[in-house]
Amino acid sequence: DGGITQSPKYLFRKEGQNVTLSCEQNLNHDAMYWYRQDPGQGLRLIYYSQIVNDFQKGDIAEGYSVSREKKESFPLTVTSAQKNPTAFYLCASTRTPRRGNQPQHFGDGTRLSIL
Amino acid sequence: GQQLNQSPQSMFIQEGEDVSMNCTSSSIFNTWLWYKQDPGEGPVLLIALYKAGELTSNGRLTAQFGITRKDSFLNISASIPSDVGIYFCAGQNGETSGSRLTFGEGTQLTVNP
Repeated sequence: DGGITQSPKYLFRKEGQNVTLSCEQNLNHDAMYWYRQDPGQGLRLIYYSQIVNDFQKGDIAEGYSVSREKKESFPLTVTSAQKNPTAFYLCASTRTPRRGNQPQHFGDGTRLSIL
Repeated sequence: GQQLNQSPQSMFIQEGEDVSMNCTSSSIFNTWLWYKQDPGEGPVLLIALYKAGELTSNGRLTAQFGITRKDSFLNISASIPSDVGIYFCAGQNGETSGSRLTFGEGTQLTVNP
């Protein structure tokens, strides 16, 4: 079945450690997105990529980094510079925006906690 | 980044009742989307609206794209226990903004059997 796979489901980070969250999609979507969700709040955009080897900062990019070396994959690294990383992280993808607005489809998320 | 104003923040209703929630924005959007999120899972798309004034149904769900392009509402008729969850509205503009979504803060729906 086609879909978006995020792993791991739960992740724990130690002080000063970088961690990487995986997002893979087999929908042949061009654009991919990372969101952060805090309790009682909506989703906030961290980074997005419309095409391989290109990505743009979203609204809360500080302390995060991404890469887009393959169309199917858009990993997110939470660096030690992100002082409040505890949150639910959601990855999404969509067909090329140039074909008109396309709704984003989401993975099941990774919950990151601090040890 | 901009957040949409979504209301109400939470609702507690009896099974069988109808539900209405809405979103407003200070800027216009080309597309409005409604998602539902269950605990510990990602949001699932319920309805997508692409034209101002458009009224679209999906089973017991009906959503409208406001004529000013600055608002949208979602109605759920004859609620059932599995309607429990968080409902999010999202506004979207097109290619120039990478189709990024701006989300409301969600409406937590509780349905009592």
